[in-house]
Amino acid sequence: GAVVSQHPSRVICKSGTSVKIECRSLDFQATTMFWYRQFPKQSLMLMATSNEGSKATYEQGVEKDKFLINHASLTLSTLTVTSAHPEDSSFYICSARGQQDMNTEAFFGQGTRLTVV
Amino acid sequence: DAKTTQPNSMESNEEEPVHLPCNHSTISGTDYIHWYRQLPSQGPEYVIHGLTSNVNNRMASLAIAEDRKSSTLILHRATLRDAAVYYCILNSGGYQKVTFGTGTKLQVIP
Repeated sequence: GAVVSQHPSRVICKSGTSVKIECRSLDFQATTMFWYRQFPKQSLMLMATSNEGSKATYEQGVEKDKFLINHASLTLSTLTVTSAHPEDSSFYICSARGQQDMNTEAFFGQGTRLTVV
Repeated sequence: DAKTTQPNSMESNEEEPVHLPCNHSTISGTDYIHWYRQLPSQGPEYVIHGLTSNVNNRMASLAIAEDRKSSTLILHRATLRDAAVYYCILNSGGYQKVTFGTGTKLQVIP
C-alpha cells in the first residue's frame, strides 16, 4: 500500500527554538495532507489541512503563526513549530490520501515525538 | 462530521475472535465506514472500510448493519500484536479530513 514517511521520528529541542517536521508521500501524489497532534492517552486532534500550492486551513484554536505549514510539492508537506515551549511537547502525525475521486483510505506517517526542554 | 460511539476498552483472549462494535446512528448516505488502529507510539494504520456490504480483507472483516447505523469490526483470531486502539470513523471520501473519536482500546490476554 501507499506509504507516508515522516522525519524525524524523535526530536528534542530547547525552549524558544523552532523545529521542522517533514511529511512525504513516497509513491503517490498528495494534493492534500493533514497534520494531527496527540497528547498522552488522548486521541488524535486535527490541527490543519495542508494544501499544495495554497495556504493551509487551520482548525479552530490552532495558532497558524506558531504552527507553520508549507506544502510546496505534491509529495512533501512540512510543519514548523516556531518558538517551541514545553507545552508543545506532543506526538505529531501527518496523513495523506492518494485519490480524490474514490473513497480511499488515509495513510499515516509513523509520527514525530517532540520534546521541548 | 457524523459522530461514532465506541466502547472505551475491550479485552480478548489470544487466538479468540474479537468483535469491536461501533454505533453511528446519524450516518449519511454518502458516508463510508472506516476503521483504523493505532499501536503504541505509532501513527494510525488502515484496517478496513465499507459502505453497505460486509467486507473482508487479510486483516479483518467488517459487518455493516442493514440500516447502516452500526457496524462491527471482526478480528478472527486475536494476537498480541493486535493490542491497539481501534477507531471507527465516518468519511465521505475525496480529500475530506479524517476526524478521530476516542476509539476502543483492545487488550489481548495471553
